[in-house]
Amino acid sequence: ETGVTQSPTHLIKTRGQQVTLRCSSQSGHNTVSWYQQALGQGPQFIFQYYREEENGRGNFPPRFSGLQFPNYSSELNVNALELDDSALYLCASSLHATTDTQYFGPGTRLTVL
Amino acid sequence: TQLLEQSPQFLSIQEGENLTVYCNSSSVFSSLQWYRQEPGEGPVLLVTVVTGGEVKKLKRLTFQFGDARKDSSLHITAAQPGDTGLYLCAVMNRDDKIIFGKGTRLHILP
Repeated sequence: ETGVTQSPTHLIKTRGQQVTLRCSSQSGHNTVSWYQQALGQGPQFIFQYYREEENGRGNFPPRFSGLQFPNYSSELNVNALELDDSALYLCASSLHATTDTQYFGPGTRLTVL
Repeated sequence: TQLLEQSPQFLSIQEGENLTVYCNSSSVFSSLQWYRQEPGEGPVLLVTVVTGGEVKKLKRLTFQFGDARKDSSLHITAAQPGDTGLYLCAVMNRDDKIIFGKGTRLHILP
């Protein structure tokens, strides 16, 4: 059984650019959640996708958007990058949308210069 | 305002010592989770506690949920270098989405 994978591992962008981060969920999982973890902080919920539909969103601006594909893999897109977007971006997959255990990937470390 | 307050923020102790870290809130929760996150990795779920006063043990780790379901503690007996990591508590908000505390960064010195 393959765990949650994320790509790329690290990424450096400049302010104003756009970025796409990718996540492959664990086999059989139809729900993917994305989190932002700034240095010294706990993960903050960005949004969740369940069967290709957005299923809840945290307190993040619209320039953070996402997609889930028929194979349940997912993308996080961030437009007009700001310095404060520098963080570890984690995705987590679960079997169902609400109370099931979430399995986290290793994250993508984004640095915005 | 942080929903979950974790303390201490940092803790560095010698191998073999005991320690307790805390997760506090003014809100009542139906359940609470503890995760451990190691450098370069995502958080890994350690335990979920659901009943007020509940105690769960995972080898040398003891988790307790407060009677009023507002707080929790994690006690580690005879800490080992492999226990080093960021310990996060988390709860479900009213939209069934996970909210994390800032974590306690634990470092066990050999």
